[in-house]
Amino acid sequence: GQQLNQSPQSMFIQEGEDVSMNCTSSSIFNTWLWYKQEPGEGPVLLIALYKAGELTSNGRLTAQFGITRKDSFLNISASIPSDVGIYFCAGHWIQGAQKLVFGQGTRLTINP
Amino acid sequence: DTEVTQTPKHLVMGMTNKKSLKCEQHMGHRAMYWYKQKAKKPPELMFVYSYEKLSINESVPSRFSPECPNSSLLNLHLHALQPEDSALYLCASSQGSTGGHGNTIYFGEGSWLTVV
Repeated sequence: GQQLNQSPQSMFIQEGEDVSMNCTSSSIFNTWLWYKQEPGEGPVLLIALYKAGELTSNGRLTAQFGITRKDSFLNISASIPSDVGIYFCAGHWIQGAQKLVFGQGTRLTINP
Repeated sequence: DTEVTQTPKHLVMGMTNKKSLKCEQHMGHRAMYWYKQKAKKPPELMFVYSYEKLSINESVPSRFSPECPNSSLLNLHLHALQPEDSALYLCASSQGSTGGHGNTIYFGEGSWLTVV
């Protein structure tokens, strides 16, 4: 099946630092979604990307749909303690597909 | 408002029990999903209902039985589960139309299931 390679697997940073994570695939994806999951909670949608080259921001978060349609990145600027959690990339590799393919997640830890 | 409501939040059941997880959304979405998530892993798709019809079953054991009474409700009936079925069960929904915004998936907070 289709796979998403998400990196890094974990990050340990100081409060105030910027964060960057990315997902790549060997296949073309039609949508890219970025979720954040905190302990004991379900994934929360942060940013949705629908077109190649699309760059979208949500507050301190910025994500881009790669021009090749095989990758996406998520940046977090000026990290704060509440940014702690696991970030998942996900995507649909078939137009209209209902099955979402997930990356393995990036666990973000912030030292105050 | 993107809200998917799941009950109960926590459930402990014995291997001979019958229980149900419930999910509700009032966003007018026509596709609803059940996912299973183990610790430190991404969610795994179990079932998809599209316009109240089961459209995807990811080879889930029959001890898990989904039900979609109407377009706003989704249940997961549990019977004779095993301890390895203990996990976070996530309900999700999407508009149900093809492409782009139509299949952007929104998750509920999950139901923590422990099988003893």
